Amino acid sequence: QKEVEQDPGPLSVPEGAIVSLNCTYSNSAFQYFMWYRQYSRKGPELLMYTYSSGNKEDGRFTAQVDKSSKYISLFIRDSQPSDSATYLCAMSAAYSGAGSYQLTFGKGTKLSVIP
Amino acid sequence: DSGVTQTPKHLITATGQRVTLRCSPRSGDLSVYWYQQSLDQGLQFLIQYYNGEERAKGNILERFSAQQFPDLHSELNLSSLELGDSALYFCASSESRLNTEAFFGQGTRLTVV
Repeated sequence: QKEVEQDPGPLSVPEGAIVSLNCTYSNSAFQYFMWYRQYSRKGPELLMYTYSSGNKEDGRFTAQVDKSSKYISLFIRDSQPSDSATYLCAMSAAYSGAGSYQLTFGKGTKLSVIP
Repeated sequence: DSGVTQTPKHLITATGQRVTLRCSPRSGDLSVYWYQQSLDQGLQFLIQYYNGEERAKGNILERFSAQQFPDLHSELNLSSLELGDSALYFCASSESRLNTEAFFGQGTRLTVV
């Protein structure tokens, strides 16, 4: 079983729809949870960062973490064509002995928002 | 613009050759991370440096090495290149050792022919 599982899609939705993106993980040591957006041929861009279970909202984006189920979600409200990109979940746990936190990424979900 | 600069943007080289990828982190960031992204493997962590010292190692091949210089820029050296090394190589930087808010560069696309 991979440490982080993410449905690669592709996911195609009409403009204005609510989008739900999800990841599951197996490593209980993961403490920090992030969502990155990556446009084609560009570097990943940090969208959301959460530490604890619960919801965090930023504009049209809501990140949700359920540590008991080892499940994280990203919701996009009122989706726009400019949201068309690949969305990557990422998680980190302490790197033993070094005090550094190594990011483990999901493979990404490709989202297309159709005008 | 994340503030992380990577050069070159594209690199085409032959098998068996050696290349050097360069990364300048955001101003003030002490940590630099290198990642490899391929279609089938996704983003794979290679190595982290913090203020000049190696801090964490991921799935980095022995043919690959990296270093961080006193001015905090970093270089990733790839040698004895194989076709399978063709990928996007990203550098990211963060203020601390914690990778929780890392900012990525635009990547170097390496093609080995």
